[in-house]
Amino acid sequence: SAVISQKPSRDICQRGTSLTIQCQVDSQVTMMFWYRQQPGQSLTLIATANQGSEATYESGFVIDKFPISRPNLTFSTLTVSNMSPEDSSIYLCSVRRGGETQYFGPGTRLLVL
Amino acid sequence: AQSVSQHNHHVILSEAASLELGCNYSYGGTVNLFWYVQYPGQHLQLLLKYFSGDPLVKGIKGFEAEFIKSKFSFNLRKPSVQWSDTAEYFCAVTPSGNTGKLIFGQGTTLQVKP
Repeated sequence: SAVISQKPSRDICQRGTSLTIQCQVDSQVTMMFWYRQQPGQSLTLIATANQGSEATYESGFVIDKFPISRPNLTFSTLTVSNMSPEDSSIYLCSVRRGGETQYFGPGTRLLVL
Repeated sequence: AQSVSQHNHHVILSEAASLELGCNYSYGGTVNLFWYVQYPGQHLQLLLKYFSGDPLVKGIKGFEAEFIKSKFSFNLRKPSVQWSDTAEYFCAVTPSGNTGKLIFGQGTTLQVKP
């Protein structure tokens, strides 16, 4: 498995502002992923973050709205930019270990007013 | 497009009842299959996984799942549920060899009454 931490665990933000979420893993991993879980819905992949390259975004998600950094093999950040109430969600990072198994962080619960 | 469908959105059972949660996926190729569980106030945890081999896989806490390729299904089962099994359960699929994208079902909320 993997030990993954996220900061902050929750936040309440005003519309139009930005929030950066941090994800830290206990050991080096090649691939990190960012997911969103909107209220009452399932998890949706936002992007894949590989160290040393640009993040790969899924359809419907763009870099200007969700910029991602991956400065090393144990850390990544996701920024939610110019927030609106529709961005209220739980944001989760995950890593892949043991082949194709993904392990998830505790999530960041975001409420945008 | 690839998708995962969980048939039951909300299941209520009494303790000791048997559980089966349905999961079907749409993808024509080889897949890896997962069940994740999210207990109240906790983060998403891996319950069990299937990559290849015996289609009946056993996971933690007495859960098992059966992969039926002809039905594109991966149903989760437990013979006797406990109150502590109250949680949300997610089925997820990733095409084998894929770069890692997990496609999740909508989730099933299981409530076990003591």
